Amino acid sequence: SQQGEEDPQALSIQEGENATMNCSYKTSINNLQWYRQNSGRGLVHLILIRSNEREKHSGRLRVTLDTSKKSSSLLITASRAADTASYFCATEVSNTDKLIFGTGTRLQVFP
Amino acid sequence: NAGVMQNPRHLVRRRGQEARLRCSPMKGHSHVYWYRQLPEEGLKFMVYLQKENIIDESGMPKERFSAEFPKEGPSILRIQQVVRGDSAAYFCASSPATRGYNQPQHFGDGTRLSIL
Repeated sequence: SQQGEEDPQALSIQEGENATMNCSYKTSINNLQWYRQNSGRGLVHLILIRSNEREKHSGRLRVTLDTSKKSSSLLITASRAADTASYFCATEVSNTDKLIFGTGTRLQVFP
Repeated sequence: NAGVMQNPRHLVRRRGQEARLRCSPMKGHSHVYWYRQLPEEGLKFMVYLQKENIIDESGMPKERFSAEFPKEGPSILRIQQVVRGDSAAYFCASSPATRGYNQPQHFGDGTRLSIL
């Protein structure tokens, strides 16, 4: 079964609005990572948050991690049409190098 | 500035044929990971290799699938006697030789395998 479940599955917003995606997982982790995938392309790493961190920022991205609830959120502020893509969370399972991916959120940003 | 290189980008095979997918990791990386992605789904871990060693193959189907990462040359994911259900995008990722935990993986653009 999938380690990560993401919510929502799809999200449509207007340029300038904020987009929030959530991810839940099941096992203990070293870290949680967010990746972006444009149609027909590979994954691009966005941000990594370690298990002992609660919040992290990178440009217009803000990630939170709640290990007690086994959940994370990705906030994209002031979205742009170029942010249109699928976004995946991935958890690095404790004491392994294995990444377990969520099911993804498809984000559509309309100009 | 070569990233992770996968070839071919697209591969078409008939049922029963063999498919070979190649992955050259980023320069300086000696850890390779293979994932499979079905349409509209996330990536599923298949296998983790270091040079000449399979470290974790817990995601690999027991039959028809094999992977190697020789001392010289790219990593190869091999699928024998392909079936329609093997149609998917196969992604390779790499990470540095000195990798500890808490480092991202770098992905190639994938090979899209279609079985006729």
